[in-house]
Amino acid sequence: EAGVTQFPSHSVIEKGQTVTLRCDPISGHDNLYWYRRVMGKEIKFLLHFVKESKQDESGMPNNRFLAERTGGTYSTLKVQPAELEDSGVYFCASSQDLTDGYTFGSGTRLTVV
Amino acid sequence: RKEVEQDPGPFNVPEGATVAFNCTYSNSASQSFFWYRQDCRKEPKLLMSVYSSGNEDGRFTAQLNRASQYISLLIRDSKLSDSATYLCVVNVMDSSYKLIFGSGTRLLVRP
Repeated sequence: EAGVTQFPSHSVIEKGQTVTLRCDPISGHDNLYWYRRVMGKEIKFLLHFVKESKQDESGMPNNRFLAERTGGTYSTLKVQPAELEDSGVYFCASSQDLTDGYTFGSGTRLTVV
Repeated sequence: RKEVEQDPGPFNVPEGATVAFNCTYSNSASQSFFWYRQDCRKEPKLLMSVYSSGNEDGRFTAQLNRASQYISLLIRDSKLSDSATYLCVVNVMDSSYKLIFGSGTRLLVRP
C-alpha cells in the first residue's frame, strides 16, 4: 500500500512569492489533514478535510493560506504571499477512521527567505 | 499552558536500560491517545495507541490514566535504534477530531 505522498520535499522561496504544496493521501482515506511544525515549536493542526469538504480549518494561520481538495483525492495547500514566519515543515496525514492514529507524509520543508 | 506537556529531555541512557516517559494533557474532550516516534528530519510515525487498560507491544508498554489525565510510555531493554523523539499525542474532538501534539521527549541510547 502506498503511503501518504507529499511534494515537493523542500522548497525555498522569497518573501512575497507563492508556493503550492501537494499531498496524495492513502487511497480510500476520506480524512486528510494538514499540520505544520515551525522551528522550536510542536506540530500544530492546520485543517481537516472529509472527502472534498473542509471539516475544520480553525488552525489556518490567516487568509494567505488556501487549502483545496478537489474531487476528494489529493489536496493542495497554497501560501500567497509567503512571509518569513511561514517557514517550517508542512505535514499531510490521512486516516480512514476519525479516532485512529494517522499516517503522515514525509513533509515539505518550506524556507521563506 | 500547553495542551499536551512532555519533558523535553534529552534522556541519555545506556543500551539495555529501561526508560519511562510521561505526558499530561489538559483537554477533557480528548478521545484517543497515542505515542508517535519521530526521527531527525522525518515524519512522525505511529508507535502505539494507548488504552486505559494498558497495552504492550514487545519492549514498549503504554498506559493511560484518564482521571489524572496522564499518559506514560515504558521502553525496556533499550536499543541504539530506539534513539528518537517520542511524541505524546491526543485526539481531541471540538469542531472536528484533531491531533494535539506534545513537543516531544528526546531519547539518546548510547553503546
